[in-house]
Amino acid sequence: DTGVSQNPRHKITKRGQNVTFRCDPISEHNRLYWYRQTLGQGPEFLTYFQNEAQLEKSRLLSDRFSAERPKGSFSTLEIQRTEQGDSAMYLCASSLGGSASHEQFFGPGTRLTVL
Amino acid sequence: AQTVTQSQPEMSVQEAETVTLSCTYDTSESDYYLFWYKQPPSRQMILVIRQEAYKQQNATENRFSVNFQKAAKSFSLKISDSQLGDAAMYFCAYSGETSGSRLTFGEGTQLTVNP
Repeated sequence: DTGVSQNPRHKITKRGQNVTFRCDPISEHNRLYWYRQTLGQGPEFLTYFQNEAQLEKSRLLSDRFSAERPKGSFSTLEIQRTEQGDSAMYLCASSLGGSASHEQFFGPGTRLTVL
Repeated sequence: AQTVTQSQPEMSVQEAETVTLSCTYDTSESDYYLFWYKQPPSRQMILVIRQEAYKQQNATENRFSVNFQKAAKSFSLKISDSQLGDAAMYFCAYSGETSGSRLTFGEGTQLTVNP
């Protein structure tokens, strides 16, 4: 399967714990995006990478959130000291280039539940 | 900032009939792209159709077509000969060359196809 993969698919955690999600993009894609989607809403942009460089972060991305793409391949999104408001689906997408025209391919998402 | 609005939270259509989903957007950019994405229940988001703002001709993809009204900033999706497999959440999305190519999504329209 050469699509975007995300792990884990589901994560249940207690408030205050740290969680880390992983995204493996399509191998030749140099752009990688993270979005957050709450129930019944459209995805909201969090951050994106061009290769290993993090080029933009949304104001939604508080100091408790950090994302990395160390070798320009897979990416991780860590949430520290989780809060109930962090419960959402976290989507990863990748694209071949940086043009707005390039299709973004989405992964299945990681559903986070914070108790 | 760019915004995307979908004013129809839910729509339904009879199998084999035609349905139109509405979307309006706001932007000050001159170079941008508009997309319709489909998100089936518990499945990955996939691209349905894409429109370049500089093209006057409306995009079509098999049973899917758009009505792009640039001056009115309107971008509706028409699904012809609706099939049961078309049932999903549909998101209108915007991407601009000067806004980092990130996608800005609308709130979504839940489409039900009745047999």
